[in-house]
Order: sequence, then C-alpha cells, then structure tokens
Amino acid sequence: KQEVTQIPAALSVPEGENLVLNCSFTDSAIYNLQWFRQDPGKGLTSLLLIQSSQREQTSGRLNASLDKSSGRSTLYIAASQPGDSATYLCAVSSGGGADGLTFGKGTHLIIQP
Amino acid sequence: DAGITQSPRHKVTETGTPVTLRCHQTENHRYMYWYRQDPGHGLRLIHYSYGVKDTDKGEVSDGYSVSRSKTEDFLLTLESATSSQTSVYFCAIISTDRGNTIYFGEGSWLTVV
Repeated sequence: KQEVTQIPAALSVPEGENLVLNCSFTDSAIYNLQWFRQDPGKGLTSLLLIQSSQREQTSGRLNASLDKSSGRSTLYIAASQPGDSATYLCAVSSGGGADGLTFGKGTHLIIQP
Repeated sequence: DAGITQSPRHKVTETGTPVTLRCHQTENHRYMYWYRQDPGHGLRLIHYSYGVKDTDKGEVSDGYSVSRSKTEDFLLTLESATSSQTSVYFCAIISTDRGNTIYFGEGSWLTVV
C-alpha cells in the first residue's frame, strides 16, 4: 500500500526566505506526482504536476522535483510572500493514473510579514 | 477550476438519516472521484468512477454508495449517516487534456449530529 509522508508538518518563516517542502512515498511505481495548495475552508488548487518520466516542473516562484527511485519530491518556493501561507499537499497517482491519489497529510506554512 | 460544482456546500443532518451529495461537472471528464478530508488522516479516497455506470471502491468506502447515471453527475450517498461520517467531502476530476491534472471542487461540509 502506497504511503506518502510530508516533512515538516508545519513551518513558519519570515517573508522573503526561500524554502523547501519535502514529500516521500514508499512505492516508486508511480504514474505522476502532484502538489496542491489548500487555503483554510477551501478546496485544493493544483500547483504542479510531474509525470513519472520527468525530473522537475516549474511555475513562477515554484519548482518541484521528483526522484522516483528514491521515492522523494521537493517543492521549492522562492522569495516567499505572506500570500503563500497555506497548507501544501503532495499526492501520488499509481495504477495508470486513474485509480485516484494517495495524499500526504500536508505541510502547514506560515509566512510572517 | 474545470467546471466542478458540489451541492450542498454545507449540511447538518441527524444520525440515521440518508444523505446525498452531488458533484456536477461541465467539461465531459470521464474520471470522477469522491474524497473525504479529516484532521489527522488527510484526504482519503471513498469511491471513483471511470464512466457512466462504472464505479469502484476506494480506501474508505464502507457506509457509502455512489451512482453515475450521466457523465456530468457523480452522486455520493450515505445510506444511514453516522457521526463518524462528519467530514469535508471533496469531488475531483482528472483532466486528460491537461496532462492528467486532478482538479477539486470546493467541498461539502457535512455534520452528523
């Protein structure tokens, strides 16, 4: 059974810092990996999707990497802003991609102004 | 947002009553999912559908049933609600024309008293 772990569970940093969120998964036979953002009381917003054949994806100040063989992904946030405060969730898809996602429990991020 | 709407958005019901949550999508996506989100457990898959009248169980399907009689609607039914089913329920779709990115609805907050 696939298990996804996110470290740290919570993080508070001053505005402007670069930071790294970590995600690990136990079964390397994944179809893709996706990072989401969730604001309090809201749904999930997709940030980046990395296919199993890819090593990284970038969108603006966000960069996600994937090392499938070691079962790890990182989300790098450059020049953090208070608006980046949210919970960040990592999820992996297996079995051809249609069988649903396995989620980590998230990293709760606070960016101090 | 991939055209996903959930209804109702908030509901309070009594133990033992049936409850149906509706997920409606406007973009003709084939794959649809129901997740629940609980503190300490994260998001867990309840049921999913890969087409009209084609559904399958997820990790936490006990106490839930689903139906998909039309491409655009995926219904989640709690036959006899229990307090343990108090949760936030999210519907999701896979967008195959956006690299299999998964998009979520805004959530349905269900309280069983």
